[in-house]
Formats: sequence, C-alpha cells, structure tokens
Amino acid sequence: TQLLEQSPQFLSIQEGENLTVYCNSSSVFSSLQWYRQEPGEGPVLLVTVVTGGEVKKLKRLTFQFGDARKDSSLHITAAQPGDTGLYLCAGAEAAGNKLTFGGGTRVLVKP
Amino acid sequence: NAGVTQTPKFQVLKTGQSMTLQCAQDMNHEYMSWYRQDPGMGLRLIHYSVGAGITDQGEVPNGYNVSRSTTEDFPLRLLSAAPSQTSVYFCASSRAIVGYEQYFGPGTRLTVT
Repeated sequence: TQLLEQSPQFLSIQEGENLTVYCNSSSVFSSLQWYRQEPGEGPVLLVTVVTGGEVKKLKRLTFQFGDARKDSSLHITAAQPGDTGLYLCAGAEAAGNKLTFGGGTRVLVKP
Repeated sequence: NAGVTQTPKFQVLKTGQSMTLQCAQDMNHEYMSWYRQDPGMGLRLIHYSVGAGITDQGEVPNGYNVSRSTTEDFPLRLLSAAPSQTSVYFCASSRAIVGYEQYFGPGTRLTVT
C-alpha cells in the first residue's frame, strides 16, 4: 500500500493570511487529486494533477505536483472563512485501480 | 441526476448484528468504491469494483462483503458488527481511477455498541 502523509494535520489562521498544505510520499503516483470536505458531507474534488512539475491555479488556490510525482502542495492566498474545511490529497497508483488518501489537513480560517 | 446516494444516513447497531449499507449512482460510472473515515486517518479503502460482477479488496476489507450485480448499485455488508467498525462510511463512483473525479455520497454514520 502506498502511503501519503499530509502536513500539518491542523492549521488555524486569520482571514487574509496565506497557508500551505503538503502531501508527501516515497512512492510515485500517476496522478494526484486534492479534495475539500465540509462537515457532514462527502469530499468534493478541487483539482487533478498528472504531470510532474505541473502547477494549477483555481482562483486563490495554487496546486503543485512535484517533479518526481511523489509530492504535492496546496497554497491558499489571502484565506477566507469559506476556505475552512478538511483538505485531502489522494494519489492514484501507476498500475492498478486504487486511490490512496492522505490523513487530511483541517484548516480553520477565523474572521 | 441524483449523483451518488447512500442509505441510511445514520445507524446504530449492537455488537454481532449484521446490516447492509446501500449505495447507488445514476452516472453510469464503471468504478465504485467504499471508504471508511476515522478521525485523523483520512479515507481508507474497504472494497472497490471496476464493473458489474467484478470486486476486489482494498486496504481494510476484513469484516465487510460487497457485490456488484448492476452498474448502478454497490452495497456494503457488515457480517457481524464490532465496535471497531464504528465510523463514517462513504461510497464513491467515477469513470475510472487515474485522473478522474471521484463523486462521493453523503456518507453513513455507523455506531456499533
């Protein structure tokens, strides 16, 4: 089983500050996804990255896939209370049909 | 489209009881999977299916059975519930695994006493 480690586990910041969440593994993934989950709901996809070194932007969110496709980061600029939630990274194995999730980073943005 | 639906939303079982968690999708997705989510542990894959009639084990399959008789439905059976199975269970579907969005249901919160 390929493992994905997310850090930090919990992040509390003030509105307007920036934050970065990391997702690391010793294994190579063919693609990596980031999801956000609100309390009482299932995760919802934010982005998929498939190419080493790829950078994708979604409004104030910037996602990067490592050159070796073993790690990824999510950076939020000028965080807002609406960004509060659980952020999960998930990697797809190069061969096979399994998606491995990281342990999640709980983000709290205070107004 | 209803997307992915799960029933029930909440369930309390006594140790040793059995039950089936229902999952259905109306997007004609080939791939379906079941995860459990425990605090601080993200989502762990229980079982998955790449199409009707085909199922396989995930990371934590013990104590659970699945079947996939149709493309739409993927029920999860707890054979003899144990307190360690107290968790939130999510069903998901997608067109495939690599690079495709997983659509998740709203979850079932299960408590085993």
